[in-house]
Amino acid sequence: ILNVEQSPQSLHVQEGDSTNFTCSFPSSNFYALHWYRWETAKSPEALFVMTLNGDEKKKGRISATLNTKEGYSYLYIKGSQPEDSATYLCAFRGGTYKYIFGTGTRLKVLA
Amino acid sequence: SQTIHQWPATLVQPVGSPLSLECTVEGTSNPNLYWYRQAAGRGLQLLFYSVGIGQISSEVPQNLSASRPQDRQFILSSKKLLLSDSGFYLCAWVNPRGTEAFFGQGTRLTVV
Repeated sequence: ILNVEQSPQSLHVQEGDSTNFTCSFPSSNFYALHWYRWETAKSPEALFVMTLNGDEKKKGRISATLNTKEGYSYLYIKGSQPEDSATYLCAFRGGTYKYIFGTGTRLKVLA
Repeated sequence: SQTIHQWPATLVQPVGSPLSLECTVEGTSNPNLYWYRQAAGRGLQLLFYSVGIGQISSEVPQNLSASRPQDRQFILSSKKLLLSDSGFYLCAWVNPRGTEAFFGQGTRLTVV
């Protein structure tokens, strides 16, 4: 069974705080790791695609890092805003054709 | 560029009725296609994936089935819906290297 775990499950932060989440995935047979911003019952919104060990990507206040050898990726949000409130999903593509979403981290930014 | 059409957007069906959700892809050939479900309060769970016509892999035992009658068509079905089949269903295309993914608009299914 291919497990993609995210932590924490949910998070409340104050506006202006910086925060980060973790995505853990199998460390063998790695192809790609995606990060998404997701609102329930909608299509996920792509944030980053990461393919190489040591990758670091940044888009505005959001950034991500990747460690394929130990099987984890971090997503960072700097200076959180209320509009950042959403569920953040990672998705793992390994050596099989499976494309597995993580369990998600629900972020609530309090004004 | 790739486009995924998924319909209907919303559906209300009685328990015991059949289900057919359709997903079609434009702009690519021999796509790898996926069906996901979000049950209430949970994330996106992989239900089925297909790497070619007639090839279906099932991730979890359930009341649903999938078919790939044509290269760019992926269908999710049920003969008799259960209340627990309610949820949000999402179709996706992912390229073979796993570096690109596109999603349909999703179907919100309510079984009553």
